[in-house]
Amino acid sequence: DTEVTQTPKHLVMGMTNKKSLKCEQHMGHRAMYWYKQKAKKPPELMFVYSYEKLSINESVPSRFSPECPNSSLLNLHLHALQPEDSALYLCASSQDGTGNYGYTFGSGTRLTVV
Amino acid sequence: GQQVMQIPQYQHVQEGEDFTTYCNSSTTLSNIQWYKQRPGGHPVFLIQLVKSGEVKKQKRLTFQFGEAKKNSSLHITATQTTDVGTYFCARRWSNYQLIWGAGTKLIIKP
Repeated sequence: DTEVTQTPKHLVMGMTNKKSLKCEQHMGHRAMYWYKQKAKKPPELMFVYSYEKLSINESVPSRFSPECPNSSLLNLHLHALQPEDSALYLCASSQDGTGNYGYTFGSGTRLTVV
Repeated sequence: GQQVMQIPQYQHVQEGEDFTTYCNSSTTLSNIQWYKQRPGGHPVFLIQLVKSGEVKKQKRLTFQFGEAKKNSSLHITATQTTDVGTYFCARRWSNYQLIWGAGTKLIIKP
């Protein structure tokens, strides 16, 4: 299995809703990432988990809450989002923190906040 | 200092023409990675270059890392419609972090 699987593919949520994005990989990668991508821009790093521990939080607002239940799963909990949070949310993984073998991205969740 | 500048922002080519995107840095790069993102898709890792003057080929794609390790290029020979997308360069910056170029969007003219 050489994939990162993300669900759902599309999500529309109101500003008072709570929702979760899910990500799964079975490649034995020890680092997992959440990225946010706006149209016509490169991905922006949000969070990094290494060996199931939060290693990096790029000053992301608390309305985004990551969780890593085990080495294969990564969640992103969303609460009280703003319309400007609408974007493509990408999960990625790498063998380790060096990224020497590249990063494997999931197909993303296209989020619309209304 | 850590940023990577990528040009051009867009390139329109006729199918069958060549395409090149360039990535430049004011500081020496220890590595450079290239990704392709199809329209509506997600970034896909293509390659990593680490050695000065390195040239790697993948079918019609040729990747180069400059002798001074301050620039890199991706060249596609005889573009096909399947090549459409945005090509990003990225440098690894400390563990876990990538610094991305702005991307070059390849558009095939009908």
